[in-house]
Amino acid sequence: DTEVTQTPKHLVMGMTNKKSLKCEQHMGHRAMYWYKQKAKKPPELMFVYSYEKLSINESVPSRFSPECPNSSLLNLHLHALQPEDSALYLCASSQDWGLQQPQHFGDGTRLSIL
Amino acid sequence: SQELEQSPQSLIVQEGKNLTINCTSSKTLYGLYWYKQKYGEGLIFLMMLQKGGEEKSHEKITAKLDEKKQQSSLHITASQPSHAGIYLCGADGAGGGADGLTFGKGTHLIIQP
Repeated sequence: DTEVTQTPKHLVMGMTNKKSLKCEQHMGHRAMYWYKQKAKKPPELMFVYSYEKLSINESVPSRFSPECPNSSLLNLHLHALQPEDSALYLCASSQDWGLQQPQHFGDGTRLSIL
Repeated sequence: SQELEQSPQSLIVQEGKNLTINCTSSKTLYGLYWYKQKYGEGLIFLMMLQKGGEEKSHEKITAKLDEKKQQSSLHITASQPSHAGIYLCGADGAGGGADGLTFGKGTHLIIQP
């Protein structure tokens, strides 16, 4: 069982839809991350939040909009996605962002764009 | 940017045999992390290495970081079916989590009964 919870587990949406991915952790971690993983590829960093503020945006298209309402929650708002955005979206958290510490991952949301 | 090269890409091992997976970095490693992933699922944290020459073990898995901090190995002793999966090495920079993790391409491990 993972201590980082992601919902939904699966999501199918059309290119004109608006949906959101949710991530929650109750470990008191102050850094949270979104990664995108295509089939048979390693995860790629999208966003880093530290103390609820966006610190890194790895040149992600604006159709992906992250939000950190509080220290336990991380959302990823999706709008007007393309078929190539179909992937496994992973959320992770770590105790702090400035030190070498392990990131703990959720089970991911598998996103399919029709 | 940092690049991590893993070898082998895939590995088929008979149950009970030992195996080793390698991860080589193009730059000095500040934090090296080993994860295991089942297909379509999240990453399970295995071990973190920071210091040159460091070695850590958990159950039948041992990970080492070389003295120069540019290469790590993951060794599994007496492999079991539960060890099957994709093993990923990941690294962060001097800024720790501020840089996120960069991953190797992974090693797909199959255990044959």
